[in-house]
Amino acid sequence: GAGVSQSPRYKVAKRGQDVALRCDPISGHVSLFWYQQALGQGPEFLTYFQNEAQLDKSGLPSDRFFAERPEGSVSTLKIQRTQQEDSAVYLCASSPRVAGGVRGTGELFFGEGSRLTVL
Amino acid sequence: AQSVTQLGSHVSVSEGALVLLRCNYSSSVPPYLFWYVQYPNQGLQLLLKYTSAATLVKGINGFEAEFKKSETSFHLTKPSAHMSDAAEYFCAVSVVGSGNTGKLIFGQGTTLQVKP
Repeated sequence: GAGVSQSPRYKVAKRGQDVALRCDPISGHVSLFWYQQALGQGPEFLTYFQNEAQLDKSGLPSDRFFAERPEGSVSTLKIQRTQQEDSAVYLCASSPRVAGGVRGTGELFFGEGSRLTVL
Repeated sequence: AQSVTQLGSHVSVSEGALVLLRCNYSSSVPPYLFWYVQYPNQGLQLLLKYTSAATLVKGINGFEAEFKKSETSFHLTKPSAHMSDAAEYFCAVSVVGSGNTGKLIFGQGTTLQVKP
């Protein structure tokens, strides 16, 4: 497919379980972002990768959250010991531009998201 | 600190009527501003963006927005609503000084309902 693909689309976890959410960005896109969208809220920034380098993880809410992009393409967001407050839609977005480039467009191509429900 | 406020979590208009979705921002320096749309069960899609060029920005699907520095606003408009415009709309601002124009602060969103 030509767009950003995320899996699973829906995940139900029991409190305390670990989960892994996958993002396949658009081929060749340099930048990759993860956002968290709680019910009824706008997306909130979690972390940013430029190729394989995680340049900004200031939005990760706790050390239970971990993201990686080892080969500069597919990324995984891992949440350890899930809590009920982790329930949200996790959005992945990619961009062909290096973030912060001259007049960076800020245009992000979003996936459909992974909806996590923690019981 | 930067912030974005969208006035009205739900807006309902009749088909053919003017669409006005309000967005106000707070930023100490001229920001980059965006409107994204989210259709049901789809990812967010960029409608339009302001990057300090023309203050009146035209986007896809007949939408436009005007950057007004004096009012710190970036309201989204469309002259005539279509049923297919029903969706959730998000206003966003780039985090200044982050060196990362993809790091966005989003408003809480406005759900647009279009009545036949």
